[in-house]
Amino acid sequence: DIQMTQSPSTLSASVGDRVTITCRATQSFNNYLAWYQQTPGKAPKLLIYEASNLESGVPSRFSGSGSGREFTLTINSLQPDDFATYYCQQYDNYPFTFGQGTKVDI
Amino acid sequence: EVQLLESGGGLVQPGGSLRLSCAPSGFTFRSHAMTWVRQAPGKGLEWVAGISGSGDFRNYGDSVKGRFTISRDNSEKMVFLHMNDLRAEDTAIYYCVKDRDIMSTSHHYWGQGTLVTVSS
Repeated sequence: DIQMTQSPSTLSASVGDRVTITCRATQSFNNYLAWYQQTPGKAPKLLIYEASNLESGVPSRFSGSGSGREFTLTINSLQPDDFATYYCQQYDNYPFTFGQGTKVDI
Repeated sequence: EVQLLESGGGLVQPGGSLRLSCAPSGFTFRSHAMTWVRQAPGKGLEWVAGISGSGDFRNYGDSVKGRFTISRDNSEKMVFLHMNDLRAEDTAIYYCVKDRDIMSTSHHYWGQGTLVTVSS
């Protein structure tokens, strides 16, 4: 199975900051990598798919990049609604696997 | 508007069985793979099982393989998760998820989840 490790696990930031979250895999795979956002008590929401494609309706301050084993999620100009937990997921090899999550807080 | 309504969660004893149901609406059901993802209390996300739009292809996470079965009824537009030999570590919120394509892929829309508690 492909293991996904996110860094950092927790990130303290302020409104207006630029934030970067990294996701590393135990082996290389095609760019079937997604990023999700989850706020407390809510279901996750898809932000990015295929590593860099922005899901419809997601603000353009979110972007994804990377290939092979390393991928990043960048949030430009952090907004109050962005304080949440973010998960990466590979969906190239079964079983699909998630990272452990990165909590972005103040 | 896409909606995914889960039901069937509850309290079950270790070793017991439960069937979760999901009633999707607002999209062409047979054109999309469906997935179950779970989240234990205070923990991260775990991919449980996925099924293709036709129902011909099914895959499972390692921790549930051999105990859980995912199925769908395209005529009734329903998705199910049959769970057997339940363990305490299966306690979680179970989310029904619509995938972006007919084969399992990224998870486009999520239901609000149904809570399964395994305890004596």
